[in-house]
Amino acid sequence: EPEVTQTPSHQVTQMGQEVILRCVPISNHLYFYWYRQILGQKVEFLVSFYNNEISEKSEIFDDQFSVERPDGSNFTLKIRSTKLEDSAMYFCASILTRDRGEQYFGPGTRLTVT
Amino acid sequence: QQQVKQSPQSLIVQKGGISIINCAYENTAFDYFPWYQQFPGKGPALLIAIRPDVSEKKEGRFTISFNKSAKQFSLHIMDSQPGDSATYFCAASSFAYSGAGSYQLTFGKGTKLSVIP
Repeated sequence: EPEVTQTPSHQVTQMGQEVILRCVPISNHLYFYWYRQILGQKVEFLVSFYNNEISEKSEIFDDQFSVERPDGSNFTLKIRSTKLEDSAMYFCASILTRDRGEQYFGPGTRLTVT
Repeated sequence: QQQVKQSPQSLIVQKGGISIINCAYENTAFDYFPWYQQFPGKGPALLIAIRPDVSEKKEGRFTISFNKSAKQFSLHIMDSQPGDSATYFCAASSFAYSGAGSYQLTFGKGTKLSVIP
């Protein structure tokens, strides 16, 4: 069964450093998402991406965040200057088309900012 | 307006019993209501989903009941098993047409289910 993959599984970085989280969505999916989950809390939407541009973003997704689909398979989330409060699990998700709302999530990247 | 309220926060059920988790929403534009199951250290996995044109959907031991007028939906797990022990999240989305659409999910806070033998 096709699945969303994410790398790395765990990333430790120092405050102020840049990090790039990588995702490979399911190959024929067209809509891509990033969510985050602070430990013990609910999953929160960050950004959606379609046709090589951002569709929507939440208030969490400020100027420190950016997303990119550099090739036909990868989808990345960049945090330019990490803060302690960026420590969370980051999940990538994708859906097939706008008529098929079933979002499939990757296993997540645990980001720890020290 | 965008919130999805989920209860209870935690639930302990005997093996073979029925687990019931409830969610309520405010945004009447929501038109898709999935439930996700999450095991520790893993991503949320889609369990079952419903759209507002039906009041109930059943898949195996899992049933969603949907009450559009009350803006509530619930997950019932019949014959609960220890392997069902996980955190369950309800979610909702609406297709906000902005030229491309988004369909992002708004999640409830989760229910930690423990099924004891």
